[in-house]
Amino acid sequence: EVQLLESGGGLVQPGGSLRLSCAASGFTFSSYAMSWVRQAPGKGLEWVSAISGSGGSTYYADSVKGRFTISRDNSKNTLYLQMNSLRAEDTAVYYCAKAEMGAVAGDDAFDIWGQGTMVTVSS
Amino acid sequence: SYELTQPLSVSVALGQTARITCGGNNIGSKNVHWYQQKPGQAPVLVIYRDSNRPSGIPERFSGSNSGNTATLTISRAQAGDEADYYCQVWDSSTAVFGGGTKLTVL
Repeated sequence: EVQLLESGGGLVQPGGSLRLSCAASGFTFSSYAMSWVRQAPGKGLEWVSAISGSGGSTYYADSVKGRFTISRDNSKNTLYLQMNSLRAEDTAVYYCAKAEMGAVAGDDAFDIWGQGTMVTVSS
Repeated sequence: SYELTQPLSVSVALGQTARITCGGNNIGSKNVHWYQQKPGQAPVLVIYRDSNRPSGIPERFSGSNSGNTATLTISRAQAGDEADYYCQVWDSSTAVFGGGTKLTVL
């Protein structure tokens, strides 16, 4: 069964850091681009970042550029999101999502989603 | 930056057809994907690349895309279709979501 399982969320103070993980199973992880998508409480979906299958190409939303870093370890079938300089507006459920077709991020749908992990930025 | 516009809400009578639109500049030249999200759950892909259904999605769900508007059509609407629906495209290596439409089945 294809599955994504996020972890690492929690409560952090403004200006703090957090690293999210997403463990993948049931598919050839390195063959697919991956993304992080977040959803603030009561709000819509917001794409955060994407990474190619090899990890060689990364992409970020303007709202997180320079503060967040996406990475992956294909030997461990795990996707990461390092979040620094966190702000109250980063409070959201963070989902990892698998690209529907291939290793290049850029046109695919997100066909598999994790259950999400909650990040709360508050003092 | 590219923007997608969806109606905040759409209502449909049980058993009738619901249409949810997604507007964007020349969206017909892009691949549009649609997601269903029920309260407390992760989104689920219901239509990809304008009009394709993933396995397990009922044939009642269909999609079209032309000009400046993409449309998700749900035929013979059921109570279980009540959810938020989001359209999504890629633009300049950035994924963009519409604001979401709440579908109410009356």
